[in-house]
Amino acid sequence: DSGVTQTPKHLITATGQRVTLRCSPRSGDLSVYWYQQSLDQGLQFLIQYYNGEERAKGNILERFSAQQFPDLHSELNLSSLELGDSALYFCASSGERTGQETQYFGPGTRLLVL
Amino acid sequence: GNSVTQMEGPVTLSEEAFLTINCTYTATGYPSLFWYVQYPGEGLQLLLKATKADDKGSNKGFEATYRKETTSFHLEKGSVQVSDSAVYFCALKQGTYKYIFGTGTRLKVLA
Repeated sequence: DSGVTQTPKHLITATGQRVTLRCSPRSGDLSVYWYQQSLDQGLQFLIQYYNGEERAKGNILERFSAQQFPDLHSELNLSSLELGDSALYFCASSGERTGQETQYFGPGTRLLVL
Repeated sequence: GNSVTQMEGPVTLSEEAFLTINCTYTATGYPSLFWYVQYPGEGLQLLLKATKADDKGSNKGFEATYRKETTSFHLEKGSVQVSDSAVYFCALKQGTYKYIFGTGTRLKVLA
């Protein structure tokens, strides 16, 4: 158990819909990262938050957005869903000091868009 | 920019065979380097790491040495087991944010 929790575990929805994925980081970790893992594209970094502020952006579509709340949990919002958005979405957290760089991954949310 | 390149899979080995999965990186300065493993149906978990040149990370019989001169961090294991079947990701972190992951290498070990 990594200490990172993600809900829901599975999500099935239709094209055009909007969903919200939730992540709670390990206790004490200020950084949260979101990744998308699909069969054909491997692990893609989407976005990072640090203590409530956006810190780095990767290959995140404009239809996707995220935020980190004062209690440090994070949500990833996916809207106008397309079939190609079907994937595993992982959240990870880490500390920031030297020696705390390890990312701890949650179990993922499997999204299926029909 | 920074990047990580790892060998394409899948890699299929017999039990007790020697494993090498190649990983090279491009980065300025001195990034930290990681190997993560993803078992079927699970999230990624840290396998080993090295934070400076010539460091050797090791865990569960796996080893990797941070080679600055060849910008490499190859993963090795002397004798693989069926339970090592998984996807292995090489990654780097530079500065205070943003990890970069390789594309992953699937390992299948046959009994």
